[in-house]
Amino acid sequence: RKEVEQDPGPFNVPEGATVAFNCTYSNSASQSFFWYRQDCRKEPKLLMSVYSSGNEDGRFTAQLNRASQYISLLIRDSKLSDSATYLCVVRLASGGSYIPTFGRGTSLIVHP
Amino acid sequence: DTGVSQDPRHKITKRGQNVTFRCDPISEHNRLYWYRQTLGQGPEFLTYFQNEAQLEKSRLLSDRFSAERPKGSFSTLEIQRTEQGDSAMYLCASSQAGPDLRFTGELFFGEGSRLTVL
Repeated sequence: RKEVEQDPGPFNVPEGATVAFNCTYSNSASQSFFWYRQDCRKEPKLLMSVYSSGNEDGRFTAQLNRASQYISLLIRDSKLSDSATYLCVVRLASGGSYIPTFGRGTSLIVHP
Repeated sequence: DTGVSQDPRHKITKRGQNVTFRCDPISEHNRLYWYRQTLGQGPEFLTYFQNEAQLEKSRLLSDRFSAERPKGSFSTLEIQRTEQGDSAMYLCASSQAGPDLRFTGELFFGEGSRLTVL
């Protein structure tokens, strides 16, 4: 079982739709959770951190469920420019360190 | 530009040759990470440095791979006796640990070095 799992998609949605992605992680001792965005042939960039109480940034809402070991990302009112791969990142314990560990990403395509 | 820079951006080599990639992190960042990414997959952790100390290496990293960060600034990743399976994008990222060495959350990535092994 992979340490961080995501549905690769693609999720194909019309403009204005609401779309949600989930990500599960295997290690209950994980600390810190993030969503990154990666455009085609570009490097990943931080989209938002995920806090225990849930957090929102404009059209984006992130949630953490420690009991079930998953995080989610909700995008409301999708824009064409939201088309990208969304990477779930979990800091996993490894030896004495916590390593930012990426899921394989979920591809989102927003069409007119 | 004060972001993370990587060199070369593209490298094509023949199987069995050695290659070296360089990463210059954001100057005030004390942590530097190397990841590898193949098509359709997320970045896979290879190794990371806190200043000049290499603190963690992935067990997936064979002994053909070696990384250094001699003065706590730039880093090099060398792959010896390349194999076709080494073809990938090699990403470098830097971050700044807080005063208590906690990870502050954001990794700043370079544009990557794409390796093609023929």
